[in-house]
Amino acid sequence: QVKLQQSGAELVKPGASVKLSCKTSGYTFSTSYMSWFKQIPGQSIEWIGMIYAGDGGTGYNQKFKGKATLTVDTSSSTAYMDLSSLTTEDSAVYFCARPKGGYEDVMDAWGQGASVTVSS
Amino acid sequence: DIQMTQSPASLSASLGETVSIECLASEGISNDLAWYQQKSGKSPQLLIYAASRLQDGVPSRFSGSGSGTRYSLKISGMQPEDEADYFCQQSYKYPPTFGSGTKLEIK
Repeated sequence: QVKLQQSGAELVKPGASVKLSCKTSGYTFSTSYMSWFKQIPGQSIEWIGMIYAGDGGTGYNQKFKGKATLTVDTSSSTAYMDLSSLTTEDSAVYFCARPKGGYEDVMDAWGQGASVTVSS
Repeated sequence: DIQMTQSPASLSASLGETVSIECLASEGISNDLAWYQQKSGKSPQLLIYAASRLQDGVPSRFSGSGSGTRYSLKISGMQPEDEADYFCQQSYKYPPTFGSGTKLEIK
C-alpha cells in the first residue's frame, strides 16, 4: 500500500536550517507530485508548495518563497524540504502528502508529520 | 488567496446524532472542495473530494454537498470514532487554502 514515512522530530536553533525527508513506497514516485504542508498544533493547515518528481519542477505558496525549498531523489523515492533562516514562527508540524490521481491539489495519502521546534 | 470560513469552531454531538459542518468560500470555487478528518496527533485523512464524492474506504455516513461558495459536510449518525477535527480545503485556485477547522466531540 501507499506509504509516506517522514523523518523525525527536530529541535533547531534560531537562524539555522533543517532538512525534512519523506520516503515513499507503494506507488510510482517518479511520475507523481508531492505537496508539503505546515500546521501549528491547534491551528489550521497551510500549503507550502509542491514538486513534480518527474522533472523537479516546483510551485510555492508566495508566503513560503525563500523559506522552503523542495527537492526530490527519484533513486530513493524520497522528497525533501529545506527550511532556512528558522525563527520561532517556523515551529510547527510539517506534513508531506501525495495528491489523489486526477486531483493534484486533493491529498489522499499523508506522512505522519515531522515536528520542528525552533528554540535557543 | 481564497478565504475559507468554517463553522462552527466546535461542536458536541450525542452518539447517533446527525451533525453538519459548513464552509463558506470568499468566491465561487466550482465544487473544488475537499473535507479532511484529523484525529488527535495524527495526519489528516481525506473524506470527501469534489464537494460530494466519497473517498474509497470512508463510511457512507459521511456526505458532502454544496455549490458556488457554500459547502457542507454531514455525518449521519455520530460514532465514537468520529471524534476529531474536520477541515475543508479549496483546490480551485492556488494556493490551496483550508478552513479554520471544526472540533467535533462526543456529548
